[in-house]
Amino acid sequence: AQKVTQAQTEISVVEKEDVTLDCVYETRDTTYYLFWYKQPPSGELVFLIRRNSFDEQNEISGRYSWNFQKSTSSFNFTITASQVVDSAVYFCALQGGSTLGRLYFGRGTQLTVWP
Amino acid sequence: GAVVSQHPSRVICKSGTSVKIECRSLDFQATTMFWYRQFPKQSLMLMATSNEGSKATYEQGVEKDKFLINHASLTLSTLTVTSAHPEDSSFYICSAKNNRDGSRNTIYFGEGSWLTVV
Repeated sequence: AQKVTQAQTEISVVEKEDVTLDCVYETRDTTYYLFWYKQPPSGELVFLIRRNSFDEQNEISGRYSWNFQKSTSSFNFTITASQVVDSAVYFCALQGGSTLGRLYFGRGTQLTVWP
Repeated sequence: GAVVSQHPSRVICKSGTSVKIECRSLDFQATTMFWYRQFPKQSLMLMATSNEGSKATYEQGVEKDKFLINHASLTLSTLTVTSAHPEDSSFYICSAKNNRDGSRNTIYFGEGSWLTVV
């Protein structure tokens, strides 16, 4: 079974604060991929990152960073010095090696950054 | 630029009519495409897997006669919502897997389509 849990439904922060979005996943596949997408009100999914199961290195891209911990099956996403434009719904997703392209999404976290 | 194009981006139709949504891979071939539905403030749920040249595989609880999927070419899959009802109003989004991506398994999403049934 494949499952993604985003326990935080909504998060509100004030601009310039750091915020971490949590993601916990379940899979029996040894090879899998983890994703983060940003969904603004317009609806499209903006790809942020893809990480495969064999690469546990943390990644930083500008104000964004990701912490992948296989030991706890977590793939958390941190935004440093948040900005109003970061306000959106963020989805964590899992693609199992056996699922040939299908993604399993968490329920999403609505992030609101106040000025 | 977008590598998967979805059209229309927004559509309003009357109850009882049918509406077709297209998902097109622009610069690669996709044997497999996926259709997801997202209700307001909810997650994206897979409706069906579209397979070129064969029947789509539907998820449990999705009516295959209501949501017709046709994947007649390696670059185009269509979702037709037949006899639409207001409860079908939702955001529909497709994704495609590049055939020639090998083990990289790169997935590309379309821009999504907002369907409102009045």
